[in-house]
Amino acid sequence: EAGVAQSPRYKIIEKRQSVAFWCNPISGHATLYWYQQILGQGPKLLIQFQNNGVVDDSQLPKDRFSAERLKGVDSTLKIQPAKLEDSAVYLCASSSYGGQPQHFGDGTRLSIL
Amino acid sequence: GIQVEQSPPDLILQEGANSTLRCNFSDSVNNLQWFHQNPWGQLINLFYIPSGTKQNGRLSATTVATERYSLLYISSSQTTDSGVYFCAVPQGAQKLVFGQGTRLTINP
Repeated sequence: EAGVAQSPRYKIIEKRQSVAFWCNPISGHATLYWYQQILGQGPKLLIQFQNNGVVDDSQLPKDRFSAERLKGVDSTLKIQPAKLEDSAVYLCASSSYGGQPQHFGDGTRLSIL
Repeated sequence: GIQVEQSPPDLILQEGANSTLRCNFSDSVNNLQWFHQNPWGQLINLFYIPSGTKQNGRLSATTVATERYSLLYISSSQTTDSGVYFCAVPQGAQKLVFGQGTRLTINP
């Protein structure tokens, strides 16, 4: 089966600009997650969707980050405006339902200048 | 929230050596995953192991849920095993909480 697809693979922007990431989960997976991985650390959850509803967004900086999952399939994560500390890898993951193994995409490496 | 600690933080070995990586967690869990993050940043599933022992080729993992730890064994290490190994456990609505990782370097 096809894995979790993410794009773009790399993105370089200047601070205060906006950026968007796209994720297509494994077919049939109801749960979708966005994680942020800062260099030298483990990934940390930003937001979790169950179908098209938000389950957990407690760690999402809502003043600048937003995410949506229209129709319960694809998802986009947006940052506006970007700050230097947003430089990280943004990983998307999916699972068939909560509690089952999560499968990760290749991530988007974001650099803020 | 749940705390996840991994040891050692860094491990440097010669090709062919065996290694054991440890993951301790602070609360009871109903599943645990081990991942390998390769030098290109890809996070690869190794094991989904709530309890007991699983083996996949040169790799095996054991989780003792009652004692709140898991071990990852790598035998006959190869240079391609280099990277960072993470364990992760669920918290709340199944979000994964990751440890800080063990950076493994296998020298030829």
